[in-house]
Amino acid sequence: NAGVTQTPKFQVLKTGQSMTLQCAQDMNHEYMSWYRQDPGMGLRLIHYSVGAGITDQGEVPNGYNVSRSTTEDFPLRLLSAAPSQTSVYFCASSYNVGKWNTEAFFGQGTRLTVV
Amino acid sequence: DAKTTQPPSMDCAEGRAANLPCNHSTISGNEYVYWYRQIHSQGPQYIIHGLKNNETNEMASLIITEDRKSSTLILPHATLRDTAVYYCIVRVGASMTTDSWGKLQFGAGTQVVVTP
Repeated sequence: NAGVTQTPKFQVLKTGQSMTLQCAQDMNHEYMSWYRQDPGMGLRLIHYSVGAGITDQGEVPNGYNVSRSTTEDFPLRLLSAAPSQTSVYFCASSYNVGKWNTEAFFGQGTRLTVV
Repeated sequence: DAKTTQPPSMDCAEGRAANLPCNHSTISGNEYVYWYRQIHSQGPQYIIHGLKNNETNEMASLIITEDRKSSTLILPHATLRDTAVYYCIVRVGASMTTDSWGKLQFGAGTQVVVTP
């Protein structure tokens, strides 16, 4: 199993550009989420999904869109990149919704710089 | 979800046990205590979790006080590779609604440095 795969690993964008960060998992997990991590801080939840076709906002959703057309994929779209979105982005997935105690699996991150 | 309080940093000698405290005084009855760690520049890694009883796995032990208001993660024989930021998180295990399930609320964590 590959686990949670994020692409690209590094990206530099100009202000105003758009792009999509890819996240894929091969564990048949229903729950997937996106976090951002700024220097010296913990992770903050951007968006999450409890299954295909269902998404919801997290703590810091502004400037980002998500969709979940399949169980495996959960892309994160930056509509118009801003320097404030410079961060490291992590995708995570968990076992089926409704299980009492499940662990989350994280990807290795995408380091995004907006200039 | 209940918030947690952890010391910002701690040092540990290689080969010794590392005891990482976490305070979660507002934890409610259906909230689990989870520990994750993040080695520099990598994605967080699950370590262990528990509800009431002490737990042990191949990585660590988790000691939860009887009143559940605090816990301690124990790395029995710390190695240099255990240098990381350790996060203590409390979260609902399951819910009638899905809006809180699965969310992990990360604080600043404890920076653990293992020295030779």
